[in-house]
Amino acid sequence: DAGITQSPRHKVTETGTPVTLRCHQTENHRYMYWYRQDPGHGLRLIHYSYGVKDTDKGEVSDGYSVSRSKTEDFLLTLESATSSQTSVYFCAISRGDTYNEQFFGPGTRLTVL
Amino acid sequence: AQKITQTQPGMFVQEKEAVTLDCTYDTSDPSYGLFWYKQPSSGEMIFLIYQGSYDQQNATEGRYSLNFQKARKSANLVISASQLGDSAMYFCAMRETNSGGSNYKLTFGKGTLLTVNP
Repeated sequence: DAGITQSPRHKVTETGTPVTLRCHQTENHRYMYWYRQDPGHGLRLIHYSYGVKDTDKGEVSDGYSVSRSKTEDFLLTLESATSSQTSVYFCAISRGDTYNEQFFGPGTRLTVL
Repeated sequence: AQKITQTQPGMFVQEKEAVTLDCTYDTSDPSYGLFWYKQPSSGEMIFLIYQGSYDQQNATEGRYSLNFQKARKSANLVISASQLGDSAMYFCAMRETNSGGSNYKLTFGKGTLLTVNP
């Protein structure tokens, strides 16, 4: 195991409510990523971080924000959840070297009613 | 244009036979990396194999090998001697060096669902 946990693992919420997903790593890796996985789309990058307080947008960032105040934690926030954000969310980490294999967390299944 | 294309939504193979999963990519970056991940029905993402654009030889990891044809921009995954436990979704991904802001983002294909029949 790469030492990545995600919480919660499952969440059901209602449209319009705020939701925060947490990714925690014990590897001290510099890079952290949030993806969403939807049928027919593979994994799509939402946001990523290349250091504490250094974040940038991915290809599907609208409606999401992130924060990274510590190396080990990367938070994904849905300010006002919508049904289109029902998905499985994966966190990943990488060392940021040339090889840069990404290690994935177990995923969070989010349902927005 | 899609950066990673996996044209086979689903594939079937008999146990103990070999199978090739296709992946083509599109990049103008001379330095890039290609990855394959496996996602079984339990949902976790498992790294299988990596090929760098400057690697002279095809990557191999146990029963997995990557058939890298640079001129054709293809990076097919070959699984030899298929096992029932190989039934899973397989994703091809690419890392480009000059991807703006960070050198280490991955772009994923949509995946191929492999079913191994006994």
